[in-house]
Amino acid sequence: NAGVTQTPKFRVLKTGQSMTLLCAQDMNHEYMYWYRQDPGMGLRLIHYSVGEGTTAKGEVPDGYNVSRLKKQNFLLGLESAAPSQTSVYFCASSYVGETEAFFGQGTRLTVV
Amino acid sequence: AQRVTQPEKLLSVFKGAPVELKCNYSYSGSPELFWYVQYSRQRLQLLLRHISRESIKGFTADLNKGETSFHLKKPFAQEEDSAMYYCALSGRRDKIIFGKGTRLHILP
Repeated sequence: NAGVTQTPKFRVLKTGQSMTLLCAQDMNHEYMYWYRQDPGMGLRLIHYSVGEGTTAKGEVPDGYNVSRLKKQNFLLGLESAAPSQTSVYFCASSYVGETEAFFGQGTRLTVV
Repeated sequence: AQRVTQPEKLLSVFKGAPVELKCNYSYSGSPELFWYVQYSRQRLQLLLRHISRESIKGFTADLNKGETSFHLKKPFAQEEDSAMYYCALSGRRDKIIFGKGTRLHILP
């Protein structure tokens, strides 16, 4: 009963490097989300998807790209990492919008 | 515009005292309201949602449509209630929006 799994759990990047965070869910949920969590800022929505092959921008999309090629996976990419992207990233999924969201365990990313 | 406002970043309460975490929202329509909790170094999890009208771990929340509020309450705080609490809303077939969160610190 895996639920929502994020890979990796920790990562340190140098400024300008790129990386991809993977989120996988096994609950056949339609909606998937990427949030970042920063002290005093709460959870801010980066991008989200309401179904396979669809993505949409959230509150803070700049510097990030996403893809939802398969229903169970939602990838978050950083093309050229910046120190301002140091954060804890959470993925979540839900059956549809107004239902309970299930979260991954988080990815702690440090950009130096 | 969709918005969730949690006015307190930090709330310190003595053990055994009542707790009230405030949440106000703005939404054009009839949203679903949620409270999520994040214990230290754990993932966020649903605490309760207004449609279920149930009490979880002694917490309750009442939706006040007139005041557009969904405050979280507990009559007697326990040390294990120390955590980060997020209020959230979503409309039908809409994304979930979270507030900035309130850190609840229970004092011994």
